[in-house]
Amino acid sequence: AQKVTQAQTEISVVEKEDVTLDCVYETRDTTYYLFWYKQPPSGELVFLIRRNSFDEQNEISGRYSWNFQKSTSSFNFTITASQVVDSAVYFCALSDAARGANSKLTFGKGITLSVRP
Amino acid sequence: DTAVSQTPKYLVTQMGNDKSIKCEQNLGHDTMYWYKQDSKKFLKIMFSYNNKELIINETVPNRFSPKSPDKAHLNLHINSLELGDSAVYFCASSHTSGGGGISYEQYFGPGTRLTVT
Repeated sequence: AQKVTQAQTEISVVEKEDVTLDCVYETRDTTYYLFWYKQPPSGELVFLIRRNSFDEQNEISGRYSWNFQKSTSSFNFTITASQVVDSAVYFCALSDAARGANSKLTFGKGITLSVRP
Repeated sequence: DTAVSQTPKYLVTQMGNDKSIKCEQNLGHDTMYWYKQDSKKFLKIMFSYNNKELIINETVPNRFSPKSPDKAHLNLHINSLELGDSAVYFCASSHTSGGGGISYEQYFGPGTRLTVT
């Protein structure tokens, strides 16, 4: 069975602070994909990143960076110099890619990030 | 210009009624999904359709019946609504995950907030 754990439930930081959102996953599959989604207060779900299990390179996109470590089954997300607009619920998700059309996303419970001015 | 759209955005109804939520995507994807997000923000897949064929049915009560008239549309009909059905329902779409182990990101609609009184 697949499982995604986001142990932090709520994080509050002051603007310009760096913040890391943790994600730990469990799977028996050797081929899988990891995702992060953002859900701002307006409610929509916004795709941020997709990473496959064979690519452990870290990724940076502007103020966002992701650290994937298979050895610890973690896929952590760091926001550098946080801004008020980063306030949202962030979800980590895992896909069982080997199942083809039957694959599905398993979501963590989400981390509510509040960035105070 | 909207990629995944859902109607209505808000739905307030009484217990026992029947209601439908419509979803359309213009991304050219051939897999579509319904998710339920509960009051604690937990996201869980309900159904997936690939090329109009039901692929995933996650032990959802049979009061919920999805229908896909074509690849671009996936509607959700709910019979005999109950208080516990109150939630936000998200439609999503993606390219079909390949049997070779590729999983694609899902793009979500804006959500439909269903309130059953």
